[in-house]
Amino acid sequence: SAVISQKPSRDICQRGTSLTIQCQVDSQVTMMFWYRQQPGQSLTLIATANQGSEATYESGFVIDKFPISRPNLTFSTLTVSNMSPEDSSIYLCSVNRGYGAEAFFGQGTRLTVV
Amino acid sequence: QKEVEQNSGPLSVPEGAIASLNCTYSDRGSQSFFWYRQYSGKSPELIMFIYSNGDKEDGRFTAQLNKASQYVSLLIRDSQPSDSATYLCAVNQGGSEKLVFGKGTKLTVNP
Repeated sequence: SAVISQKPSRDICQRGTSLTIQCQVDSQVTMMFWYRQQPGQSLTLIATANQGSEATYESGFVIDKFPISRPNLTFSTLTVSNMSPEDSSIYLCSVNRGYGAEAFFGQGTRLTVV
Repeated sequence: QKEVEQNSGPLSVPEGAIASLNCTYSDRGSQSFFWYRQYSGKSPELIMFIYSNGDKEDGRFTAQLNKASQYVSLLIRDSQPSDSATYLCAVNQGGSEKLVFGKGTKLTVNP
C-alpha cells in the first residue's frame, strides 16, 4: 500500500483565483495521477505526472488550466487556475506501484468555487 | 475510447442478502481489474483486485472475471448496512499504468 497525504482537504475559493493542491507520498513512485470527481460522477483522469518530465494531459484538460509540478519522486502539485464555478469538484491524487497494479488515493480536496 | 460500463443503479438489497455488481470493459488489452468502494465524502478504497479468469474470494467479497466476455463482477454476501456505498469498477488501460473507472453503482443495504 501507500500512504498519501493531500492538502488542503477542502477550500472555498473566489472565481478567477487559483488553488494549488499538494500531494505527498510516503515512498518513491514513478508516476502520480491527478483525478477530478464532479458531484455524483466517477473519476476522470486529468493528467499523469512523471518526475523529470512534463505531465501528460488527458483529452479535455490543458496545462494552462491545470499546471502540474513533480519536483521529486514523492511529491506533486496540481494547480487549478482561473477558477470558475464549473471547477467545483473533488480533486484526487493517486499512485500505483507499476503497470497493472492497484491505485491508492489521497484523501481528496473538495473545492468549491463561488 | 476505452470504456468501463457499470449497472447504473441504484441497487437496494436487504441486510443479509447477496449484492451483485456488474461491469463490462471495452479494452481487450486490459490485464488488471479492480473494485473500489467509496463512501460519501471519502476517497475510493480498494476492496478487491483480480487478474485471472475465474473467481477470487476474500471474506464476504467475491470477484469474478471473464476476459472472453469482457466482464467482471463483484458479489457481496451477507450484505451489511455498512456496505452501503458507491462501488467503482476500474480497469487498467492496456499498455499503460492508467486506470479507467466506471461511473459506479450506488448500493444501499437496508436493515
